[in-house]
Amino acid sequence: LAKTTQPISMDSYEGQEVNITCSHNNIATNDYITWYQQFPSQGPRFIIQGYKTKVTNEVASLFIPADRKSSTLSLPRVSLSDTAVYYCLVGDSGTGRRALTFGSGTRLQVQP
Amino acid sequence: EPEVTQTPSHQVTQMGQEVILRCVPISNHLYFYWYRQILGQKVEFLVSFYNNEISEKSEIFDDQFSVERPDGSNFTLKIRSTKLEDSAMYFCASSEAMVKGSPNSPLHFGNGTRLTVT
Repeated sequence: LAKTTQPISMDSYEGQEVNITCSHNNIATNDYITWYQQFPSQGPRFIIQGYKTKVTNEVASLFIPADRKSSTLSLPRVSLSDTAVYYCLVGDSGTGRRALTFGSGTRLQVQP
Repeated sequence: EPEVTQTPSHQVTQMGQEVILRCVPISNHLYFYWYRQILGQKVEFLVSFYNNEISEKSEIFDDQFSVERPDGSNFTLKIRSTKLEDSAMYFCASSEAMVKGSPNSPLHFGNGTRLTVT
């Protein structure tokens, strides 16, 4: 299974931009990168997905360099409610379980 | 916005008993999943289900586990003889149809059933 590596935890303050990087050195040509957010006692929630360069939605941006061996989730101006665990997953719809495997995630703590 | 619903929110059972966890996926979704999360640990894939059969399953999903789509709306996970180590949050998820080589259709998760085995 493709392995992803993320920092275990990060701290930030309200109003700051937070960048969480995920390494996926053995990403395959057809793989997409998907990020989820999980609050305590809730199921994960889809944030954003991309293949290359930059993707932006109303919640976050995703930056993917040309070699695609890493990706960075960018959360602009975080608030206390962004305190959660963030997961990156790698795969495409043809890879079945590989695309469905969550790693350990990054625990983001936002302070006032 | 349509959502995945799970019942019950909390289930307490004695070791050796059978439990059935229930889920109602989003109505136009075709892929269904079960995950579990032991307290303080990561979200673990159990099984995926499509077209009335299991597509993928993990090593965790042994003979004690089974899934079923008994009608057009429900998706269930049965644990035949619960063990203490089955205590966890169990999440159901669903997604739209997937086309090989295209982006993963995002998973939509329910808020889980907390299973406590005593």
